[in-house]
Amino acid sequence: GAVVSQHPSWVICKSGTSVKIECRSLDFQATTMFWYRQFPKQSLMLMATSNEGSKATYEQGVEKDKFLINHASLTLSTLTVTSAHPEDSSFYICSVRKQGQETQYFGPGTRLLVL
Amino acid sequence: GQQVMQIPQYQHVQEGEDFTTYCNSSTTLSNIQWYKQRPGGHPVFLIQLVKSGEVKKQKRLTFQFGEAKKNSSLHITATQTTDVGTYFCAGYIQGAQKLVFGQGTRLTINP
Repeated sequence: GAVVSQHPSWVICKSGTSVKIECRSLDFQATTMFWYRQFPKQSLMLMATSNEGSKATYEQGVEKDKFLINHASLTLSTLTVTSAHPEDSSFYICSVRKQGQETQYFGPGTRLLVL
Repeated sequence: GQQVMQIPQYQHVQEGEDFTTYCNSSTTLSNIQWYKQRPGGHPVFLIQLVKSGEVKKQKRLTFQFGEAKKNSSLHITATQTTDVGTYFCAGYIQGAQKLVFGQGTRLTINP
């Protein structure tokens, strides 16, 4: 398996503020990380694929200027929700994939509540 | 676009009964992966199936991958209360190098 951490585990913020979520791969270097969003009782929806040292690849319908992704090192990717609004409230989960493998290992997730 | 459909959406069983969830893809998959998410938790990897017609077992859980690599199933024999959670299948789209998740099947169990 793989050990993946996320910080913070939960955050409550006011509408209009920006929130940064960190995803760390603790036991191996991850060239690729993924960011998902999950609304209550729904499935995981891929938001973007984060590649170390290059621009993230966003899924259709995901605003790249709103959800800023930075994968500056092989062990850290960050997702910044800019000017958050109540409809951005969700469970944000990252995952990592070992090079050459197709299995993904998920972090514990970050619950965001925008008031 | 690529879709992975999973049924049923919900399943409630008595403890000891069997449970099955089914997954179907609109396209041929490179592999299929299964995850379990406990209430309030995050998805945890269960297994990956790669070969056409593959069957794998983990104690009371049996996973199958269809011959055409477009469908899969997870069967739990004699459910226990610890089996409660949502089971997701996720198909790997090789060209796109990403997982596409099914809607999940939420399993609840009456002890």
